[in-house]
Amino acid sequence: KQEVTQIPAALSVPEGENLVLNCSFTDSAIYNLQWFRQDPGKGLTSLLLIQSSQREQTSGRLNASLDKSSGRSTLYIAASQPGDSATYLCAVSPISGGYNKLIFGAGTRLAVHP
Amino acid sequence: EAGVAQSPRYKIIEKRQSVAFWCNPISGHATLYWYQQILGQGPKLLIQFQNNGVVDDSQLPKDRFSAERLKGVDSTLKIQPAKLEDSAVYLCASSRAESTDTQYFGPGTRLTVL
Repeated sequence: KQEVTQIPAALSVPEGENLVLNCSFTDSAIYNLQWFRQDPGKGLTSLLLIQSSQREQTSGRLNASLDKSSGRSTLYIAASQPGDSATYLCAVSPISGGYNKLIFGAGTRLAVHP
Repeated sequence: EAGVAQSPRYKIIEKRQSVAFWCNPISGHATLYWYQQILGQGPKLLIQFQNNGVVDDSQLPKDRFSAERLKGVDSTLKIQPAKLEDSAVYLCASSRAESTDTQYFGPGTRLTVL
């Protein structure tokens, strides 16, 4: 059974810091891995999607890497800003599940203070 | 392009009552998903539709939860009777196809069962 774990559960940093969020999954048989952002009272917004054949994806100040063999992904946020404060969720699409099913971690709650 | 719409945004009911949630996916999206997100956890897939057919309802508590997608567009999720542990945010998402396509999420309905 696929399980997704995110560390740390919560993180508080001063503005301007570079930071890394971690995600691990137990079964490497996945189609892809996604990082989502969730703001309070709002739905999820997809930030980056890494296909199983890829090693990383970049969007602006965000960079996500995938090491499928070790079951790990990291989300790197450069020069953090207060507007980055949100919960970041990692999700994998397992091959055994089929049909674009997503298995989510519990998320990392990030607070960036001025 | 309009996003995924959900209503109501908030609902408070007493246990053993019934409740229904509505979702309107992005136009043209064939696949629709209902997720349950309990406080402090990641979303968990309840049911997935491809057009108006169910492709995955393995985690739907079928003794109390039901869902339908009429004409392959809008969908409703019903709980009858509700239990205290059903308190959660119910998220609807849609994607263009059944493949590994990005899922777009609505704002969710926050359900409180007293």
